Amino acid sequence: KAGVTQTPRYLIKTRGQQVTLSCSPISGHRSVSWYQQTPGQGLQFLFEYFSETQRNKGNFPGRFSGRQFSNSRSEMNVSTLELGDSALYLCASSLLSGVQETQYFGPGTRLLVL
Amino acid sequence: KQEVTQIPAALSVPEGENLVLNCSFTDSAIYNLQWFRQDPGKGLTSLLLIQSSQREQTSGRLNASLDKSSGRSTLYIAASQPGDSATYLCAPVNHAGGTSYGKLTFGQGTILTVHP
Repeated sequence: KAGVTQTPRYLIKTRGQQVTLSCSPISGHRSVSWYQQTPGQGLQFLFEYFSETQRNKGNFPGRFSGRQFSNSRSEMNVSTLELGDSALYLCASSLLSGVQETQYFGPGTRLLVL
Repeated sequence: KQEVTQIPAALSVPEGENLVLNCSFTDSAIYNLQWFRQDPGKGLTSLLLIQSSQREQTSGRLNASLDKSSGRSTLYIAASQPGDSATYLCAPVNHAGGTSYGKLTFGQGTILTVHP
């Protein structure tokens, strides 16, 4: 079974631009979560989607948004990029995001904002 | 708000040593706790998941224990190898009236180096 895939793997943007990242979960998984990883803050939860609905959201500004499609693929969007948005963005999938389940992570998208 | 602390922040050991990584968390109302490893610049690989009702979970040379009441978990690595070099992260999942979906709270990790 293929793992979680994320595209693109690397991105360079300038301040003020917007960016869209994509995540394809493991086949059959319906829950997708997004995390931001920076050297200073570590791994922080952004949001979780299940059956096209956002069920949980972390403490990030409204510039960070996401969506999930009927095939469970998910995208996250960051508008009006700031230098501090430079990070590794990871998505994770699980079958139902039930609390008994393991979450499986993708390789991440590394975003550099100049 | 859950806070997770991992000690030590970094550890360097010779190959073959047994070692223990520590994780403590402030809110003991957890469903489960996962241990991950992360290689430089890569995503996370799940190592073990311990349910709140379990005390231990084993996979190969890895053994994770959980003491929910004291807010602690340990990851024991037996007979360490250079390939074990990575950052190890623990992440509990909390009860929160159903709003914990997908939300892992991570510590800062322990950077492990195993030298030949």
